[in-house]
Amino acid sequence: AQKVTQAQTEISVVEKEDVTLDCVYETRDTTYYLFWYKQPPSGELVFLIRRNSFDEQNEISGRYSWNFQKSTSSFNFTITASQVVDSAVYFCALSPLSNTGNQFYFGTGTSLTVIP
Amino acid sequence: GAGVSQSPRYKVAKRGQDVALRCDPISGHVSLFWYQQALGQGPEFLTYFQNEAQLDKSGLPSDRFFAERPEGSVSTLKIQRTQQEDSAVYLCASSETGYSYNSPLHFGNGTRLTVT
Repeated sequence: AQKVTQAQTEISVVEKEDVTLDCVYETRDTTYYLFWYKQPPSGELVFLIRRNSFDEQNEISGRYSWNFQKSTSSFNFTITASQVVDSAVYFCALSPLSNTGNQFYFGTGTSLTVIP
Repeated sequence: GAGVSQSPRYKVAKRGQDVALRCDPISGHVSLFWYQQALGQGPEFLTYFQNEAQLDKSGLPSDRFFAERPEGSVSTLKIQRTQQEDSAVYLCASSETGYSYNSPLHFGNGTRLTVT
């Protein structure tokens, strides 16, 4: 099966708190990419990061960091010192090589609300 | 240049009407995707074009759904005899390359279709 699970439907944090969004995936492929997208109220999905299945190095970009662990099939996303502008729905997505790249599998999203 | 542009932003149709949704991808982008996003869900794949060729239409839910990209740029998603279950946000995305499993998708703001 090719599947992405985001178990957290909604999260609320107070501004400046850290928050981690969980993503667990299933795939029969050994070669695949994982993505995170942000969907603000305007509706457009904004690309945040991609990670290929052979690169388990964690990545940090400003207040954002990602933890990829193949052993647990997880690709979690942490926002440090959250801000009101981080309020959005966040989607994790899987793109396996075997699909010839024509389909991304998205999770159901985590709605993050940052309270000022 | 400009991002992916979709029109109309909102569409209300009476059950049984035909609708046409337009997508203008980023100039020069080879791949174009249509996704359907139901309320509170992640985007689900509908169809994929590489230039003018529709290479995958496995996600189209019924033969009432039809998509075209005749000149390899602008695409139209047409829904005939709309039903209430067609109510959703229809997202268009494009990517630069023709083999996209590792290319991020660039999304438009979507068209919110409401069938009454």
